[in-house]
Parts: sequence; C-alpha cells; structure tokens
Amino acid sequence: GENVEQHPSTLSVQEGDSAVIKCTYSDSASNYFPWYKQELGKGPQLIIDIRSNVGEKKDQRIAVTLNKTAKHFSLHITETQPEDSAVYFCAARLAYSGAGSYQLTFGKGTKLSVIP
Amino acid sequence: DSGVTQTPKHLITATGQRVTLRCSPRSGDLSVYWYQQSLDQGLQFLIHYYNGEERAKGNILERFSAQQFPDLHSELNLSSLELGDSALYFCASSVATGTGELFFGEGSRLTVL
Repeated sequence: GENVEQHPSTLSVQEGDSAVIKCTYSDSASNYFPWYKQELGKGPQLIIDIRSNVGEKKDQRIAVTLNKTAKHFSLHITETQPEDSAVYFCAARLAYSGAGSYQLTFGKGTKLSVIP
Repeated sequence: DSGVTQTPKHLITATGQRVTLRCSPRSGDLSVYWYQQSLDQGLQFLIHYYNGEERAKGNILERFSAQQFPDLHSELNLSSLELGDSALYFCASSVATGTGELFFGEGSRLTVL
C-alpha cells in the first residue's frame, strides 16, 4: 500500500517568514495530493490540493509543488501569521479506476508554530 | 463547520468495555471513512463505507467493527477496550469514492482508563 513520509514533525518560524513542509510517497500510481490543516480541537480541513498533471498550485499565501519523478511534494506558506499555527498533514491517494476504495494515506503531521 | 457530525465529542470508559461512536455525513455524501488519530501515529485509516457497503479496511483491529445504515449515518463499535485504544476517532465523508475532498468531523475523543 501507499506510504507517506512527512518532515519536519515540528517547525517554528517567526511571523512574516516562510514555512516549508515536505512529503514523499511510495506508490507511483498515486495522483492526488491534498494538504489538510488541523487546528486545536478541530478536525482536519483541506487547504490546498494538487493532481499529478500539475507541477505547482498557488492560493494566496499557500502553494504546493509536486515532483512526480522524485515522488515528493511540498507545502509552502509565505508571510506566515500567528493564525497559521496548526498541525498540517499531507496525504496521497491512488488514481481512481472506477472500483474499490481510494482512501487518503496521511503523513504523520507537522506542528507549525508561528512566533509573533 | 464541515457538515459532518460526530457524537459523542468525549467519552471516558474503562478497560474491557464497549463503546459506539456515531457519524452523520454531509447531506448527499455517500462515502464515510473512519480514521484513528493518536499522538505518534498521525491519522490512521480504519475503514471505508460507500452507500451502505464496506469498501476497504485499513489498520482496524478485530475488536472494532463499523456499519453504515440506509440513512447513510455510520457507527464505529469498539469492544474489549484497552488503554492503547485511547485516541481521537475521526469520521470523514465525501460525495463519492475516489474523487473529491474529504470533509472531517470534529472527532470523538476516547479515553480508556
């Protein structure tokens, strides 16, 4: 099955600096890579995703890059703010072929702390 | 608010007991997924149901079982509880299977004493 490794497990940055979280996946058949943000006491919430036919995607201060050859993808947060403090999870899912189950396989998470 | 409702939010019980966690998916979502979140293991996939049928099992113990009812709500049953079963249990739903975003509930925190 798919295996997703995520680094670092904790990350502290000064407000206004950038933060980068990296993930690698094992199954080359995966084609969907979402990132989820989990705030304290809440469930994970999708913040951005990328599919394998795209190398980069941006949404305001958040961007995700994908290198299919190397099987890794990264989350970039620029101009970090205190409200960005949370646990971030990367995930991967196999390409859909019309049958079976396509659950997300998650990394173990990165606790991001933005210091004011 | 994701639209996914989980009850109870907190549950404290003793070893050897049995509990049932309930999940109501977003309106119109046919797929329900259960995940276990512990401190050092992240989000571990347990089981997936689609429109009442089991689609896949992940790292789910034999002491655990689940079902999805005709109204699409789902229940996760945990029996013969052990200390190590203490965790956050999340339910997530999606419109279909294999595509689209997963919407997570706020979780049920289980503490086994």
